[in-house]
Amino acid sequence: TAGITQAPTSQILAAGRSMTLRCTQDMRHNAMYWYRQDLGLGLRLIHYSNTAGTTGKGEVPDGYSVSRANTDDFPLTLASAVPSQTSVYFCASSEERNTGELFFGEGSRLTVL
Amino acid sequence: DAKTTQPNSMESNEEEPVHLPCNHSTISGTDYIHWYRQLPSQGPEYVIHGLTSNVNNRMASLAIAEDRKSSTLILHRATLRDAAVYYCILKYNNNDMRFGAGTRLTVKP
Repeated sequence: TAGITQAPTSQILAAGRSMTLRCTQDMRHNAMYWYRQDLGLGLRLIHYSNTAGTTGKGEVPDGYSVSRANTDDFPLTLASAVPSQTSVYFCASSEERNTGELFFGEGSRLTVL
Repeated sequence: DAKTTQPNSMESNEEEPVHLPCNHSTISGTDYIHWYRQLPSQGPEYVIHGLTSNVNNRMASLAIAEDRKSSTLILHRATLRDAAVYYCILKYNNNDMRFGAGTRLTVKP
């Protein structure tokens, strides 16, 4: 079972360049999320989507954009990357609000130089 | 905004029970309490969740205070594989699920 698939696994990016982190789930979950995790810190929510066609801002949305054109895909875009966006990015999905278990991907390590 | 407070770190001996506390004094009546853990170099994984009553599953137990302002994740017999960061989370405003810094559990052999 694939679950949540993230790509790329890791990437080095020059500052000022754009980048899209891909996230695909095959569980037909309504809700999807993007988190970032920095060394020694917990996960911080960037954006989320309750269902296809809707998105919402989390704790740290600045510098990031998302779209949810369909149920399966939830890409995260950095329009103009900065070094402070160096982080590990995790995508997740859940079936239901409140009670839904979050399923996480393996993460994408992004380094912005 | 409902938030959680956890100790930064805890230690346990292998084969002993571990009680991981979480305070959530501003919890609302409809917030579920979720626990996740993150093993080194992996994404977080679900452990357990509950609303009002205590919950048990194959991984752990969740004890929820009667006033719901605190909860405790119980690992009945800690193993070395349980060494991880444990996160206590409340559902917040639709699906805006926010993790804090969590509790880093060290298990000593």
